[in-house]
Amino acid sequence: NAGVMQNPRHLVRRRGQEARLRCSPMKGHSHVYWYRQLPEEGLKFMVYLQKENIIDESGMPKERFSAEFPKEGPSILRIQQVVRGDSAAYFCASSLMGLAGEDTQYFGPGTRLTVL
Amino acid sequence: GDSVTQMEGPVTLSEEAFLTINCTYTATGYPSLFWYVQYPGEGLQLLLKATKADDKGSNKGFEATYRKETTSFHLEKGSVQVSDSAVYFCALILTGFQKLVFGTGTRLLVSP
Repeated sequence: NAGVMQNPRHLVRRRGQEARLRCSPMKGHSHVYWYRQLPEEGLKFMVYLQKENIIDESGMPKERFSAEFPKEGPSILRIQQVVRGDSAAYFCASSLMGLAGEDTQYFGPGTRLTVL
Repeated sequence: GDSVTQMEGPVTLSEEAFLTINCTYTATGYPSLFWYVQYPGEGLQLLLKATKADDKGSNKGFEATYRKETTSFHLEKGSVQVSDSAVYFCALILTGFQKLVFGTGTRLLVSP
């Protein structure tokens, strides 16, 4: 019974490079959420996706960040031209039905991005 | 806007002590409330939840009661163990929305 999978677990990039973070939801889950955790802070919502659709991207920075959840394969969070302020832990969660309050979000182990 | 406020840590206790971690919330509607736990180097695990006023969530000896009149969801455990050392996050989600709103987390350190 595999949980939410994320890879890589650790990612190091130099300023200006691109970072790609992958998330495979739990089996049978079609709703994916991305959160960012800055050092010593709580998690902040970034984006909510269903297969092939972005439902809510109200927490995504307007530039350099994008997310997708294709029909086949994992969800991808892409950060272009990374800056040091992007250094954080990025967590993916998935849920079965997407019904707020009645549906639990299960979290992956996170990807820790370090920008040099 | 909607927000969650937790007591600052770290909370340092001896094994078998009583634990309370305070959590209050501000929300425009009627949220569901959650406690998540994060062990070192790991992701978040759901600890317990409550979806309406006066509901009590419980799991692994932890409890929290949804108090609408005080907008609170305090986490309690009668006797902590060293293995409970972790960061605890209080969170809410509003009906009709899909995003969890988290508090800043409270680190718990339990010594033998």
